[in-house]
Amino acid sequence: GNSVTQMEGPVTLSEEAFLTINCTYTATGYPSLFWYVQYPGEGLQLLLKATKADDKGSNKGFEATYRKETTSFHLEKGSVQVSDSAVYFCALRVTSGTYKYIFGTGTRLKVLA
Amino acid sequence: GAVVSQHPSRVICKSGTSVKIECRSLDFQATTMFWYRQFPKQSLMLMATSNEGSKATYEQGVEKDKFLINHASLTLSTLTVTSAHPEDSSFYICSARGQANTEAFFGQGTRLTVV
Repeated sequence: GNSVTQMEGPVTLSEEAFLTINCTYTATGYPSLFWYVQYPGEGLQLLLKATKADDKGSNKGFEATYRKETTSFHLEKGSVQVSDSAVYFCALRVTSGTYKYIFGTGTRLKVLA
Repeated sequence: GAVVSQHPSRVICKSGTSVKIECRSLDFQATTMFWYRQFPKQSLMLMATSNEGSKATYEQGVEKDKFLINHASLTLSTLTVTSAHPEDSSFYICSARGQANTEAFFGQGTRLTVV
């Protein structure tokens, strides 16, 4: 079946530190992959996406590369800010039927000044 | 990106009553809408998928008689929590997409508290 596995949080970093949040997936076919961010009390905002192997999604300094060989889509940022504190969800979109999204468990990031 | 609006953003209701949550696509026609539930500090669990004009498809373990979903138009889907109980308190999020295999857009969520 389809599933997404994310690293356990919380992740606590100092401002300007390097961030990596691991995400691996299991899927039939070639799903599209997404990272969403959720700020406290709010819905989900799309952070970045990649639709095929070797694609790199990027936005606001965040990057993730679709690695088919390792079935991974790790999120990275070179220098985090306090304002990046949020919960990050990795997700895949299945390639048939209702094209529904499957989410990972989410990783809470806290950035300290 | 396209805009999906959810209403209300917060609702408190008494145990035993029903509450309706609306999800609207503001600038596109949503052929499919998804309803999710999120428990505190947990991921989103898909509850059901609805296509405009047809019955919703519920995920395993979700009570369709308790969580009524209506998708009567291409811009509106509603989730009604019937005979709500405190354990139904949660954050409910909808998402909507247009054509198949296109990106879905998420509403801002509704926090339901049943007292």
